[in-house]
Amino acid sequence: GIQVEQSPPDLILQEGANSTLRCNFSDSVNNLQWFHQNPWGQLINLFYIPSGTKQNGRLSATTVATERYSLLYISSSQTTDSGVYFCARSPGGGADGLTFGKGTHLIIQP
Amino acid sequence: NAGVTQTPKFRILKIGQSMTLQCTQDMNHNYMYWYRQDPGMGLKLIYYSVGAGITDKGEVPNGYNVSRSTTEDFPLRLELAAPSQTSVYFCASRQQGGAQPQHFGDGTRLSIL
Repeated sequence: GIQVEQSPPDLILQEGANSTLRCNFSDSVNNLQWFHQNPWGQLINLFYIPSGTKQNGRLSATTVATERYSLLYISSSQTTDSGVYFCARSPGGGADGLTFGKGTHLIIQP
Repeated sequence: NAGVTQTPKFRILKIGQSMTLQCTQDMNHNYMYWYRQDPGMGLKLIYYSVGAGITDKGEVPNGYNVSRSTTEDFPLRLELAAPSQTSVYFCASRQQGGAQPQHFGDGTRLSIL
């Protein structure tokens, strides 16, 4: 089946550090999204990025669809960045649901 | 805009009870989805709908039923609650056509005891 693999599974950093989270997928992608699940369980939409690069403040994301991976960059980490980051994709332009990876659990220590 | 609204936020059920998880969206999206998230895992698709009167199974549909009588509402029903259905349930919607992002509700945390 469709695979979405995220790495690393866990990451502990000091406040102010930079990080790169990776998402590999096994099939073509039409829709790729990055989410942040905060400690209250809410899923926050970070990026919709089936290809190319986008930036939003301290966060940026790059998807290279031909090589089947996406990267999420977090710069100058803050404690509020803690939580679980999910990558999710769907293959086509139809109504397909998203296939999620298992997430990267990020802890930012003060 | 409220976006995607789920109720209730929390619920405890006894084994064998039934309940309906409510989901409504005010973005006039045709596509709607139900996912479940088990501890330490990503979300898995239960059911989805492409419009009023049309639903289809996702990856983990057993033990659940859905209906879509209006564009706005997509309720998820558990008929005979089982401990394996203890999970957090998320509803999502997106616009029809091309590649569009999905928008998620805040989830319903359900415990079956």
